[in-house]
Amino acid sequence: TQLLEQSPQFLSIQEGENLTVYCNSSSVFSSLQWYRQEPGEGPVLLVTVVTGGEVKKLKRLTFQFGDARKDSSLHITAAQTGDTGLYLCAGSLGRMLTFGGGTRLMVKP
Amino acid sequence: NAGVTQTPKFQVLKTGQSMTLQCAQDMNHNSMYWYRQDPGMGLRLIYYSASEGTTDKGEVPNGYNVSRLNKREFSLRLESAAPSQTSVYFCASRSPPVEVRGYTFGSGTRLTVV
Repeated sequence: TQLLEQSPQFLSIQEGENLTVYCNSSSVFSSLQWYRQEPGEGPVLLVTVVTGGEVKKLKRLTFQFGDARKDSSLHITAAQTGDTGLYLCAGSLGRMLTFGGGTRLMVKP
Repeated sequence: NAGVTQTPKFQVLKTGQSMTLQCAQDMNHNSMYWYRQDPGMGLRLIYYSASEGTTDKGEVPNGYNVSRLNKREFSLRLESAAPSQTSVYFCASRSPPVEVRGYTFGSGTRLTVV
């Protein structure tokens, strides 16, 4: 059983649609990060959220940290084909970062 | 370009063979990590090194050993490879505060054990 559960595991949508990816846990994290991974590459940091209830925007991407710091969501508005990839959430517990199972997003033209 | 460099990029081993995965970072980071990535499992921590001279077990350390050779280099050794160790291995490093900079990952080593 993973500490961080991501849903959905797979998502295939048309360009221009909106989508939300969820990251849930029963544990409280000091911070939570979202990464994006392209095939053949390592994950690349998108954003870090630290405060409960925090909302951060990165162009068309909106990240939210739950009030209790146990969950987070990533919302993409008007998805583009360039958004295709694997999205990973990761929570900080002391010196270690624990990852969710990932959401594989495909945006079709 | 500054970052994390992993070698080799691909490797095929026979069951029982040994090998060492190399990782080097040139960002003067104190902490370094080894993860493995399997389909649907995200990344799982194998070992980490909070600073030069120290190493600690992560979530899935069995079958692996590590060496923090100096501040730049952190290697992962498989003494007797098993098919269950077929995976993509990522090395990462970080410098505090993690809340701002996050982790920097290498591009991975794809290992197949037959």
